[in-house]
Amino acid sequence: KAGVTQTPRYLIKTRGQQVTLSCSPISGHRSVSWYQQTPGQGLQFLFEYFSETQRNKGNFPGRFSGRQFSNSRSEMNVSTLELGDSALYLCASSLGGWQTNQPQHFGDGTRLSIL
Amino acid sequence: AQSVSQHNHHVILSEAASLELGCNYSYGGTVNLFWYVQYPGQHLQLLLKYFSGDPLVKGIKGFEAEFIKSKFSFNLRKPSVQWSDTAEYFCAVILRGSSNTGKLIFGQGTTLQVKP
Repeated sequence: KAGVTQTPRYLIKTRGQQVTLSCSPISGHRSVSWYQQTPGQGLQFLFEYFSETQRNKGNFPGRFSGRQFSNSRSEMNVSTLELGDSALYLCASSLGGWQTNQPQHFGDGTRLSIL
Repeated sequence: AQSVSQHNHHVILSEAASLELGCNYSYGGTVNLFWYVQYPGQHLQLLLKYFSGDPLVKGIKGFEAEFIKSKFSFNLRKPSVQWSDTAEYFCAVILRGSSNTGKLIFGQGTTLQVKP
């Protein structure tokens, strides 16, 4: 079974631009969560999608948004990029449903650098 | 706000030494607990998880963890580490309840370096 796939692996952008990251979950997984990982703040939850609906959201500004498609693939968008958005963005998938005891499986991440 | 604390940021051990990494969380309700490991250049992998039942859980690669509810702790242990255990270890908590789906709260991570 293929794991969680994130594309692209690396991105370089400049301040003010916007960016879209993609995540394909494990086949059969319907829940997709996104996290931001930085040396200073560690791993922080961005949002979670299930059946094309955002079910949960972390404490990030509205510049961070996402969506999920009918095949469970998810995209994350960041608009008006700031230097502080430089981070590793991780996507994780799980079976979903309303249970919180299903482990999340992580992708390799997208390394975003803002110049 | 809920938080997860990992007390050791950087641990250096020799091969065959015993390992214990501390993890405490601040939340009075019911939680599910996880330990993840990130080997150099690889993605986060699940080591073990606790949902209910026996508070001593066993994971992959000889790791185990003990949930002590009264201490809000979920410490990771391994009797004898190997050089290949060199990695970063993350404790994570998810709060029970439908409003918390998909939201893992992570500790800051512990870097383990095992010397051959």
